[in-house]
Amino acid sequence: GENVEQHPSTLSVQEGDSAVIKCTYSDSASNYFPWYKQELGKGPQLIIDIRSNVGEKKDQRIAVTLNKTAKHFSLHITETQPEDSAVYFCAASSTDKLIFGTGTRLQVFP
Amino acid sequence: DGGITQSPKYLFRKEGQNVTLSCEQNLNHDAMYWYRQDPGQGLRLIYYSQIVNDFQKGDIAEGYSVSREKKESFPLTVTSAQKNPTAFYLCASSIQGSMNTEAFFGQGTRLTVV
Repeated sequence: GENVEQHPSTLSVQEGDSAVIKCTYSDSASNYFPWYKQELGKGPQLIIDIRSNVGEKKDQRIAVTLNKTAKHFSLHITETQPEDSAVYFCAASSTDKLIFGTGTRLQVFP
Repeated sequence: DGGITQSPKYLFRKEGQNVTLSCEQNLNHDAMYWYRQDPGQGLRLIYYSQIVNDFQKGDIAEGYSVSREKKESFPLTVTSAQKNPTAFYLCASSIQGSMNTEAFFGQGTRLTVV
């Protein structure tokens, strides 16, 4: 069946450094790729998304890139801050549902 | 404020009991979803509903049941047939059921079997 692989599972960076999280998907028909941030004890919140007709999208310190040929998409966070610490999930659309990756726990140390 | 509300935040259940988790949204969204979250795993889809009075099984529907009698409400019942029900349960909604639009999540219900 369809699946989304996400790496790494944990990521520790120094404040001010960049962080990159990578995902691959299996369903070539997927055309919507959102990224969610989940803080402890809360529900996930959308931080950025990209559609298959676009290769890159940026929103302040956050950017997402998509390579449809390779079925890869990545989240880039620049100038990381302690409040960026959370679990991040990628997802890919598949017919009428979203398939989520297994999550990346990002820790930003001051 | 518009949003999606789950209750209760914490729930304890004795083995062999059914329990119902509440999910209400006032966003006027057509589609609603239930996910289960376990440590080290992604969000797994239990059930989803694209319209009132209709719902479909997700990837892990066994041991769960839902109803969608009103657009605003999508309660999830965890039955005694669910072998390992302890988990964090998340409800979500989106404008339409194609899942090509943003999904809004509730704050979750943590269910513990005691």
